[in-house]
Amino acid sequence: DAGVTQSPTHLIKTRGQQVTLRCSPKSGHDTVSWYQQALGQGPQFIFQYYEEEERQRGNFPDRFSGHQFPNYSSELNVNALLLGDSALYLCASSLGFSGANVLTFGAGSRLTVL
Amino acid sequence: AQTVTQSQPEMSVQEAETVTLSCTYDTSESDYYLFWYKQPPSRQMILVIRQEAYKQQNATENRFSVNFQKAAKSFSLKISDSQLGDAAMYFCAYRSSYSGAGSYQLTFGKGTKLSVIP
Repeated sequence: DAGVTQSPTHLIKTRGQQVTLRCSPKSGHDTVSWYQQALGQGPQFIFQYYEEEERQRGNFPDRFSGHQFPNYSSELNVNALLLGDSALYLCASSLGFSGANVLTFGAGSRLTVL
Repeated sequence: AQTVTQSQPEMSVQEAETVTLSCTYDTSESDYYLFWYKQPPSRQMILVIRQEAYKQQNATENRFSVNFQKAAKSFSLKISDSQLGDAAMYFCAYRSSYSGAGSYQLTFGKGTKLSVIP
């Protein structure tokens, strides 16, 4: 049973560029959340998608946007990259939209902004 | 807003011994979920154990158990018979059970790096 898969695993961008990260949820899951984990820190919630709509959003600027497709996969887009956007971006999936649901995480995409 | 604090940046334990990782949290809610996640060098967050706040009984998963003190807002993780594979970053996390803006996000602490000494 495939878990959460993320791509790419590593990427390097320069300031001002745009990046798209991709996530395929665990089989049977329909809700996707994105987290940013800076070096030495715990993950911070970016947003959550359910039924192709953004349902929850953390304290991140509009440069961070996302999308969920009919097959439940998701993309995270970051525009006008800043050095501070360098981090591990984690995708997590779950079934349904409830606080009781357990999240399954992917291994993340490591973004370096130069 | 809820906050989660892990006051031990690093801990070490001898193989086969027991270690306890500390976590405190701040919330005004009465119903919520608490989690311990493990993040090995492979980076993938793995759920270790989950506690529902309305349950008085402490959760247990094999060698892992928690001490949940709701009034003190404390949620520590005990690892018994520590193994080399337990070496990782451990994150304590909080999640509300109420619907509404920001409710279903996980709020993480900064983590505790656990080393296991052979």
